[in-house]
Amino acid sequence: SQTIHQWPATLVQPVGSPLSLECTVEGTSNPNLYWYRQAAGRGLQLLFYSVGIGQISSEVPQNLSASRPQDRQFILSSKKLLLSDSGFYLCAWSVQGGETQYFGPGTRLLVL
Amino acid sequence: QKEVEQDPGPLSVPEGAIVSLNCTYSNSAFQYFMWYRQYSRKGPELLMYTYSSGNKEDGRFTAQVDKSSKYISLFIRDSQPSDSATYLCAGTSGTYKYIFGTGTRLKVLA
Repeated sequence: SQTIHQWPATLVQPVGSPLSLECTVEGTSNPNLYWYRQAAGRGLQLLFYSVGIGQISSEVPQNLSASRPQDRQFILSSKKLLLSDSGFYLCAWSVQGGETQYFGPGTRLLVL
Repeated sequence: QKEVEQDPGPLSVPEGAIVSLNCTYSNSAFQYFMWYRQYSRKGPELLMYTYSSGNKEDGRFTAQVDKSSKYISLFIRDSQPSDSATYLCAGTSGTYKYIFGTGTRLKVLA
């Protein structure tokens, strides 16, 4: 069966500090990978998606970036965090052309 | 207009009630429809997905899609306090993109 991991679960960072969130998927090959942000009481905002190693598409221009160094690894980064980057970050995967998505447990980020 | 609309709630029901959660969507290209359950501070958990129009049942849960009216429903029978969560609906045309509603908060009172 497939499993998706995210870490850390919770992160408190000062404004201007760097960020690195990691997501890995087990039990599947060549998945589509996604990063979403979910603000309190709001919907899921798609940030990035990837259909293969090194292939990243950005949905929302901002100070975040994503990388996919391995088939089942997806990393969300920032060089300098802003207060507005606070939120709940979710990684998800789907099969290519798949009918559904599966989410990780999420990372709660608080920027102070 | 959002591609997927969902009443935010909260919806409060007594234990044992039948719950009806609904979404409307605007994208005619959607072929697959999903319902997720999200507990506080957790990632969304896939409950059910359906293809095109029709019904799908899984235990106490029934998902219904009416493509002619662009209406998606999730019914929960014999609701339990453990069903208290936010429920997200979503649609996709089968490409990379999944469009989510903002979620409906459900509270099942013991």
